[in-house]
Amino acid sequence: QSVLTQPPSVSGAPGQRVTISCTGTNSNIGAGFDVHWYQQFPGTAPKLLIYANTKRPSGVPDRFSGSKSGTSASLAISGLQAEDEADYYCQSYDSSLSADDFGTGTKVTVL
Amino acid sequence: QLQLQESGPGELMPSETLSLTCTVSGDYMSTNSFSWGWIRQPPGKGLEYIGTVYYSGNAYYNPSLQRRVTISLHTSRNQFSLKLTSVTAADTAVYYCARHVPGTGWYRGPNWFDPWGQGTLVTVSS
Repeated sequence: QSVLTQPPSVSGAPGQRVTISCTGTNSNIGAGFDVHWYQQFPGTAPKLLIYANTKRPSGVPDRFSGSKSGTSASLAISGLQAEDEADYYCQSYDSSLSADDFGTGTKVTVL
Repeated sequence: QLQLQESGPGELMPSETLSLTCTVSGDYMSTNSFSWGWIRQPPGKGLEYIGTVYYSGNAYYNPSLQRRVTISLHTSRNQFSLKLTSVTAADTAVYYCARHVPGTGWYRGPNWFDPWGQGTLVTVSS
């Protein structure tokens, strides 16, 4: 049972902008712990996409951006491309669990 | 380039103990103060955090698994391991190991996971 909630799915046409929310509580995101995002294609391991709320690892296109406000965070994909079709997960630390947790996951579909 | 590789039995019977090893390429474990983690993913489901072992050897776990899980560091072999006791069908999953990278903000504990191993499927079935 994750403490971080994401929409099960989002979709958009090529070129559009989509956003994925990650809703937490005052014991994780709201407590100031950073949020990180991962991209996962079927049958492969997750890959770090955004770390420390807004930072992109080397090689990640600048179409991907992250933000955080209050008890929530968001991942935005601008200029949506067919290759962006994947599952996306947020992750943060939770002080009430004294452990990390992953979001419920969001499937992005390119129409 | 840092690489991680999981290894261990792919099938177990209920009530047995799951034992997996993650081998870290290069000399990262003895010369760097990183933490190392395990994450699993049941077929068709989301990611579940299992636990993390600090470079000191201390570990912390997902409360839902804490009674059954042990993560250990084997620095001299560039490995860390996962043991999960009394497995059931609900423990069937792809198990991933990953480096748990320390944060650079106010919270300097382990933050994000990068890189990840390719994962290994463990099936629990009678």
